[in-house]
Amino acid sequence: NAGVTQTPKFRILKIGQSMTLQCTQDMNHNYMYWYRQDPGMGLKLIYYSVGAGITDKGEVPNGYNVSRSTTEDFPLRLELAAPSQTSVYFCASSSGQGVTEAFFGQGTRLTVV
Amino acid sequence: KNEVEQSPQNLTAQEGEFITINCSYSVGISALHWLQQHPGGGIVSLFMLSSGKKKHGRLIATINIQEKHSSLHITASHPRDSAVYICAARPRETSGSRLTFGEGTQLTVNP
Repeated sequence: NAGVTQTPKFRILKIGQSMTLQCTQDMNHNYMYWYRQDPGMGLKLIYYSVGAGITDKGEVPNGYNVSRSTTEDFPLRLELAAPSQTSVYFCASSSGQGVTEAFFGQGTRLTVV
Repeated sequence: KNEVEQSPQNLTAQEGEFITINCSYSVGISALHWLQQHPGGGIVSLFMLSSGKKKHGRLIATINIQEKHSSLHITASHPRDSAVYICAARPRETSGSRLTFGEGTQLTVNP
């Protein structure tokens, strides 16, 4: 079982460049999330989705965009990359509300120089 | 103050020691998760708790809902247990079933 798959694993961007972090899950989960992890801090929610066609902002959405055209895919778009977006990004999914397990991707380590 | 606080931030142990990591939270929750993150690796779910206690191999997780506190115990620790352990709460009153994370506990087990 693939679970949650993120690509790429590593990326170096120059300031002002754009890129898309891909996330796909094969568990038919309705809920998907993008988090960023900075050193010494807990994961922060960037965007989340409760189903295809529905997305909403998390704690730190500025500089990012998402779309959810299918249940499986939840790409995260960085426009005009900035050094402050240097971080490790995790995609996660869960089946729904309440007491449900969370599944995480392997992470994408992004450096903006 | 964070909604989820973990202690200690760093923990070094000798192989075979009993380890406890603590997590306190300040909101009503529907579930509490313990996660493990190895260096350079992804995040793996260890436990999901809404009450009581769960055990998996050498790992035990407990939760006290009244005191808003959870602990993760590792018995007979081993160097391969070295990782970051993260506590995450699923607040009851939140849309999208989102998690709020502690800052993590870096555990190093020396041989």
